[in-house]
Amino acid sequence: DTGVSQDPRHKITKRGQNVTFRCDPISEHNRLYWYRQTLGQGPEFLTYFQNEAQLEKSRLLSDRFSAERPKGSFSTLEIQRTEQGDSAMYLCASSSSGGEETQYFGPGTRLLVL
Amino acid sequence: AQKVTQAQTEISVVEKEDVTLDCVYETRDTTYYLFWYKQPPSGELVFLIRRNSFDEQNEISGRYSWNFQKSTSSFNFTITASQVVDSAVYFCAWSTPQGAQKLVFGQGTRLTINP
Repeated sequence: DTGVSQDPRHKITKRGQNVTFRCDPISEHNRLYWYRQTLGQGPEFLTYFQNEAQLEKSRLLSDRFSAERPKGSFSTLEIQRTEQGDSAMYLCASSSSGGEETQYFGPGTRLLVL
Repeated sequence: AQKVTQAQTEISVVEKEDVTLDCVYETRDTTYYLFWYKQPPSGELVFLIRRNSFDEQNEISGRYSWNFQKSTSSFNFTITASQVVDSAVYFCAWSTPQGAQKLVFGQGTRLTINP
């Protein structure tokens, strides 16, 4: 199966700790997205990469959040000094450019900040 | 700003009934895409359909059908002869072909199919 994968699937951390999530997109996809979904809501866009370049960031992405895609393949999302309000599902999606732009999602990482 | 509204928060029906999930969108763009995704309890968003704004032809895929009407800015989803496995949260979403093509989601409709 060559779908989008995310690791870890679940993360419990204490307030103030740093966490890092990883996303591996579909191999031929050059676009990668991060979304955040809180309970009972639809996903909200956080940031977007085309290859290794981060081209757009939402105002939801505070200074404590940073995302990278160093070689244009996998991506990491780091949250520093976590707060209880960061508890959410973090979803990664990928797509290709030039034709089939549909975004395919990974299983998500569910974060709980205590 | 673009907005997607799914007014039905929860729907519960008995198996084999037909059910329609409503989606209304707001946009000033003339070219855009509309999507439906399914989110089962496992959490992964599963792509169901993408529609281009210039193609108002309705689509049928097995028990699923979609009705796109630009005049009412609606993109409704009907499941015929529902099954328990259809139970999930369904999201309608919008994007533009320009720039990041980020998805703007509705709040979702939780569909429960009872045996």
